[in-house]
Order: sequence, then C-alpha cells, then structure tokens
Amino acid sequence: GENVEQHPSTLSVQEGDSAVIKCTYSDSASNYFPWYKQELGKGPQLIIDIRSNVGEKKDQRIAVTLNKTAKHFSLHITETQPEDSAVYFCAAVWGNTPLVFGKGTRLSVIA
Amino acid sequence: KAGVTQTPRYLIKTRGQQVTLSCSPISGHRSVSWYQQTPGQGLQFLFEYFSETQRNKGNFPGRFSGRQFSNSRSEMNVSTLELGDSALYLCASSLDRQDDEQYFGPGTRLTVT
Repeated sequence: GENVEQHPSTLSVQEGDSAVIKCTYSDSASNYFPWYKQELGKGPQLIIDIRSNVGEKKDQRIAVTLNKTAKHFSLHITETQPEDSAVYFCAAVWGNTPLVFGKGTRLSVIA
Repeated sequence: KAGVTQTPRYLIKTRGQQVTLSCSPISGHRSVSWYQQTPGQGLQFLFEYFSETQRNKGNFPGRFSGRQFSNSRSEMNVSTLELGDSALYLCASSLDRQDDEQYFGPGTRLTVT
C-alpha cells in the first residue's frame, strides 16, 4: 500500500523567512496530494492541493510542487508569519483508496 | 456553507464502556471518512462511508464500527473501550471520492480512564 514520508518533523524559522516541507510517496498511481494545517485544538484545515497532471500550484504565500518521476512533493511558505505556526501534514491518494498521511511537521515561526 | 460538525467535542469514558460519536458532513457531500489521531501514530484511517455503505476500511479491530444515514450523517461506535483508544477522532467529508477535496471537522477528544 501507499506510504508517505514527511521531513522535517520540526522546523523553526524567523518571521519573514521561507519554510519548506518535503514529502515522498511510494505508490506511483497516486494522483492527488493535499496539504493540511492543524492548529492546537482544531481539526486539519486543507490549505492547498495538487493533482498529478500539474507540476506546481501557488496560492498567495503558499505553493506546492510535485515531481512525479522522483515521487516527491513539497510545500513552500514564503514571508512566514507567527500565525503560520502549526503542524502541517501532507497526504497522498489515488482514486477511492483512503488518504495516507505523513507524520506531520511542527512549524514554529519566531517573531 | 456550514463546515463539518462533530459531537460531542469532548468525552471521558471508563475502560469497558462503549461510545458513539457523530459527524455531520458539509451539505451535498456524500463521502464521510473517520480517522484516529494520536501523538505516536499520527492520522490513521478508520473507515469511509458512501451512500450508507462502508466503502473502505482501515486496520482497526472489530470494536470500531460505523454507519451512515440517508442524509449522509455518520456515526462511529467503539465498544469495550481500552486505554489505548484515547485519541482525537476526526471525521472528514468530500463530495464523492477520496481524491476529492476532503474537509475535516474539529474532532472529538476521547479520554478513556
């Protein structure tokens, strides 16, 4: 079955710097890759996603890139702000198989 | 449009008891998935319901069960609770498929003593 590995597990950046979180997946059939942000006491919030027919997608300060050949995808956050501090999860899925999540990255933005 | 709602938000139960958690999906969403989140294991898939039928099942014991009603609302039940069942239980809804955008509820925090 699908396996998703996420790195790093913790990340600290200065406010205004960029943050990058990387995930690799094992199943080449995976075609949908969402990213979630989870704040303390809340459920995961979908922040951006990408499908296998696209190499990059951007939404304001957040971007996701996908390398199908290498089977990895990355989340990029530019101009980080204290409110970006949270746990971020990547996931991969194909068709109607269940979403498989990475273990999460705890991002701390230091003001 | 209202988001995914889950009730109750917090629950404390004793070992051996059983518990029922409820999830109301986003209006128009027909797929509901349940996840268990713990610090050690992360987000683990329990099961998915679509049109009142279980479509996918994760690797959890039979003590974990669920159902879906005709209005797409879903419940999950855990019988004979164990200490290790303490976790945040999350449900997520999507239009039809697992590779549609999935939106999570706030979760139910279950503590087993």
